[in-house]
Amino acid sequence: EVQLLESGGGLVQPGGSLRLSCAGTGFTFSRYAMSWVRQAPGKGLEWVSAISGSGDSTYYADSVKGRFTISRDNSKNTLYLQMNSLRAEDTAVYYCAKNLAIYGGYFDYWGQGTLVTVSS
Amino acid sequence: DIQMTQSPSSLSASVGDRVTITCRASQSISNYLNWYQQKPGKAPKLLIYAASSLQSGVPSRFSGSGSGTDFTLTISSLQPEDFATYYCQQSFTTPLTFGGGIKVEIK
Repeated sequence: EVQLLESGGGLVQPGGSLRLSCAGTGFTFSRYAMSWVRQAPGKGLEWVSAISGSGDSTYYADSVKGRFTISRDNSKNTLYLQMNSLRAEDTAVYYCAKNLAIYGGYFDYWGQGTLVTVSS
Repeated sequence: DIQMTQSPSSLSASVGDRVTITCRASQSISNYLNWYQQKPGKAPKLLIYAASSLQSGVPSRFSGSGSGTDFTLTISSLQPEDFATYYCQQSFTTPLTFGGGIKVEIK
């Protein structure tokens, strides 16, 4: 059974940093691209970032480019999102999602989400 | 960026109704269009991928169609568990983008 478990969310002050983790089980982690998708309170879904299975290729939404860094450790079956220079508008539930592929693919499994709150 | 527009923004329907939701892309995305269902407090769930392929385990009352810029999600006979928010998403190019969502409510 595929499972994705996020952790690392919490309350952080504007300008601060946070690192999210997502542990994947039940599938060959290194074979699949992975993404982070967020949802601000009461709002819709926003794709944040994606990474190829090998980790060689990364992609970002303009809203986070230069502030967030996606990475993965395939030996630990874990995906990361390093978030720096956080702003109030980054407040959201962050989901990790398994991609069949980045281009032409889809998010077939999602984690339960972790809440990030940016506030003073 | 490719903009995804869903219409209507919300709708009210009764159990047993046939419901059709529309998604329009700002440029052609071939058939790289996916549909998700989200219930309150839960993660989204994949329903349809590649515009018309039913994800394993999803009831056959859900179907998708379209290509290019215009797509539809149809629920042939609405069930109580189908009241939720539905999102379309394009995977033609990055940034990957979602529609704004359509909330299907009980009439």
